Amino acid sequence: QVQLQESGPGLVKPSETLSLTCTVSGGSVSSGSYYWSWIRQPPGKGLEWIGYIYYSGSTNYNPSLKSRVTISVDTSKNQFSLKLSSVTAADTAVYYCARMWEWIPDYWGQGTLVTVSS
Amino acid sequence: QSVLTQPPSASGTPGQRVTISCSGSSSNIGSNFVYWYQQFPGTAPKFVIYRNNQRPSGVPDRFSGSKSGTSASLAISGLRSEDEADYYCAAWDDSLSGLVVFGGGTKLTVL
Repeated sequence: QVQLQESGPGLVKPSETLSLTCTVSGGSVSSGSYYWSWIRQPPGKGLEWIGYIYYSGSTNYNPSLKSRVTISVDTSKNQFSLKLSSVTAADTAVYYCARMWEWIPDYWGQGTLVTVSS
Repeated sequence: QSVLTQPPSASGTPGQRVTISCSGSSSNIGSNFVYWYQQFPGTAPKFVIYRNNQRPSGVPDRFSGSKSGTSASLAISGLRSEDEADYYCAAWDDSLSGLVVFGGGTKLTVL
């Protein structure tokens, strides 16, 4: 069964870039059957899809975040990553990585809280 | 403001049947499958319904889903205390390059 694990700093300063990595086990990011995505959830609020990447490097981002988001993939490490630039307090959230099945996240990581504060 | 609209809260007593609604548009629910997630505090969401009305293995048959036009609903019958959680609907939206859209979530309380 596929498992995903997020890693990265839990605290980021305003205006800086948030960087997270998702390590996949029990499956391969190079599988042509799936896309790989990031979703976030501000404390006490709902879910927001950030974007996805295919093993080839093809990406699609939420228009609301597109200008600040970059998702990349490293097939040699079986990982994919998220960068979100120019962060503000509004970007404080639990960030999840997930596999996409039928265009919807099915297997999720446990999530990692990222706080934006000076 | 979420693209899909859900009531913020729902409640019921043990044994009752509760329904959670999810309203969208022609570009999401109207043309794609609806999925429902259950989320407990501090944990990641998990499917309880996929493809409008299918249950993953391990999900009790007390959970059921339906879709009509641009709306969908999740029903839980024989309500149990362990059903108390947040529930989110989700769908693919065909707008622009496409994106995943979620409902704002419904907090289910078992009284």
